[in-house]
Parts: sequence; C-alpha cells; structure tokens
Amino acid sequence: QQQVKQSPQSLIVQKGGISIINCAYENTAFDYFPWYQQFPGKGPALLIAIRPDVSEKKEGRFTISFNKSAKQFSLHIMDSQPGDSATYFCAASIPRDKIIFGKGTRLHILP
Amino acid sequence: NAGVMQNPRHLVRRRGQEARLRCSPMKGHSHVYWYRQLPEEGLKFMVYLQKENIIDESGMPKERFSAEFPKEGPSILRIQQVVRGDSAAYFCASSPRGDTIYFGEGSWLTVV
Repeated sequence: QQQVKQSPQSLIVQKGGISIINCAYENTAFDYFPWYQQFPGKGPALLIAIRPDVSEKKEGRFTISFNKSAKQFSLHIMDSQPGDSATYFCAASIPRDKIIFGKGTRLHILP
Repeated sequence: NAGVMQNPRHLVRRRGQEARLRCSPMKGHSHVYWYRQLPEEGLKFMVYLQKENIIDESGMPKERFSAEFPKEGPSILRIQQVVRGDSAAYFCASSPRGDTIYFGEGSWLTVV
C-alpha cells in the first residue's frame, strides 16, 4: 500500500514531441505528489508538485495531471528537448512522513 | 541560500572498514532524510530524522547501519564493516516542514 508504481521504465521521444510518464498509488492518505528530475551523477531536483485538491498544475513546459478517483497522476513534458533527457521520478507522501518514490523513467529525447 | 551539502562526494572503503557520510541541511530545515540509490535503480528510503530524534528508520538495515542528527552539526549516516553490497549512491535531503524535500548531490560509496 506504500508503493508508487511508475511507467514506462524507459521512453524515447522525438524532439518537439510530448513525453508522458504515468504513476499510480494505493494509499489514499497520500496528499503530496512531487516529480523529480535527475541527471547522471547528480542529486534529484524537484521539478513540480501537486496536491490532490487540484486536477492539473502547469509550470512552463511541464504539467502534472491528477486523477484522484483513479489514484493516478502523470507528468507531461511539452515540446520535449534534448536537454530534458534525464531520469524522472514520481513520488508521494503523507505530511511529516517519508516520501515514497517510483522506480524512475529514463527519458531520452532524440535530436 | 546554500543547498543541502553532502560530503564526501566520493568515498572508497575496503571491506570491513567504516564509512561515515555527512549531510548539512539547508538553512532553516530541521527535517533530514537519507535515501540509497543503486545503479539503474530508484531511490530507497532509509531513515527520517529531526533534530536529535529518529522519526522513521523503517528502511535502515537492522545491522551495521546507523544515523543521527545532533542538536549541533550535520547529520551522519554511519555504515560499519562495509561489504561490497553497500556500494551505492547515498542521498541526503532536507525539508523545512516535512513535506517538500530538497536533495543534496549525493555521496558515492565504493567498497573494494
């Protein structure tokens, strides 16, 4: 029940296309859903986050869509660029508790 | 405002030695988390601490691993009698309130 399931494991997208990464959870007590971006040899960096009282949040080319009834959320990267090539992690947490991460998606944007 | 500082960035230890990894949280952050990442794998939670208290250590191996976050000074993750399977990247993260967490650049441990 503490798991966050992330898919796909890897993704290849043409430059300018839309990259979509999906996550699902079971624990309805989760109330904070961040996404992190990690480049090789670096620490994960917070990209964008959402709480379940909204269905969508957009920051630049990055959008989180949240479906509370289905217990699913997804990251959309519009106009994907080669610089977006990285590993992306979804996560979920309860306040003042550990953050649980998905297994990650390796995204490669073809130039 | 400096980010989460971890040191050393890279550490090589022989089997049986001890490894000490240090983490200074961001200014004003009293919550610290440690995660372990194996090559090509995700982030595994190890321990969650607040000043002088361990809040959740459910991800810590029962033996050889310990963590502390003293009133003064950095948080320390200590691995005694290291084995080859301990080779991994260890990430520290901090939070002001226990929700949004910010990661350091990691400490890469290699056991030879």
